[in-house]
Amino acid sequence: GIQVEQSPPDLILQEGANSTLRCNFSDSVNNLQWFHQNPWGQLINLFYIPSGTKQNGRLSATTVATERYSLLYISSSQTTDSGVYFCAVIYGNKLVFGAGTILRVKS
Amino acid sequence: DGGITQSPKYLFRKEGQNVTLSCEQNLNHDAMYWYRQDPGQGLRLIYYSQIVNDFQKGDIAEGYSVSREKKESFPLTVTSAQKNPTAFYLCASSNRQGMQPQHFGDGTRLSIL
Repeated sequence: GIQVEQSPPDLILQEGANSTLRCNFSDSVNNLQWFHQNPWGQLINLFYIPSGTKQNGRLSATTVATERYSLLYISSSQTTDSGVYFCAVIYGNKLVFGAGTILRVKS
Repeated sequence: DGGITQSPKYLFRKEGQNVTLSCEQNLNHDAMYWYRQDPGQGLRLIYYSQIVNDFQKGDIAEGYSVSREKKESFPLTVTSAQKNPTAFYLCASSNRQGMQPQHFGDGTRLSIL
């Protein structure tokens, strides 16, 4: 099956800093989603991005499907950005998740 | 408001007991899914359903069962055959399987007494 790898596994930022999270996948996929899981376990859709770049406030995402990777950019980070960020690829009929990046933003 | 409702938020299971987790959606989505999340890991697919009265096994279906009698409901039963049921369970739905984004409920935490 497909492999989805996220890096880095852990990231600690000072409030106001910028960061880039990466998602690599081992095969062609139909689509890709980025999620934020908050400390209460809620999984929030951030982006649904098969290719190209999308922006939503301080967050943006870029997927280069031909090279099998996606990037999530967080600018001017805030403490509320803390949590786990998951990349998930739509492979056939299934959504396959990476292991996530744990982000901690310190004030 | 449209969304996915999971209940209960917390559930405790005794040895040898079956428990059922509820998932209801009012998004008029065709497809529904159940995932399991263990600490420090991503989500793994248990079962999914594309249409009423039809469902398929995901990657870790052993010890679980589902039904899809109504479009808006997709309950998951954790049976006594599931030897390690302690986990966080998330339900999701999408407008059409495979090509549409999935939306998630707030999850149920299941623990063994």
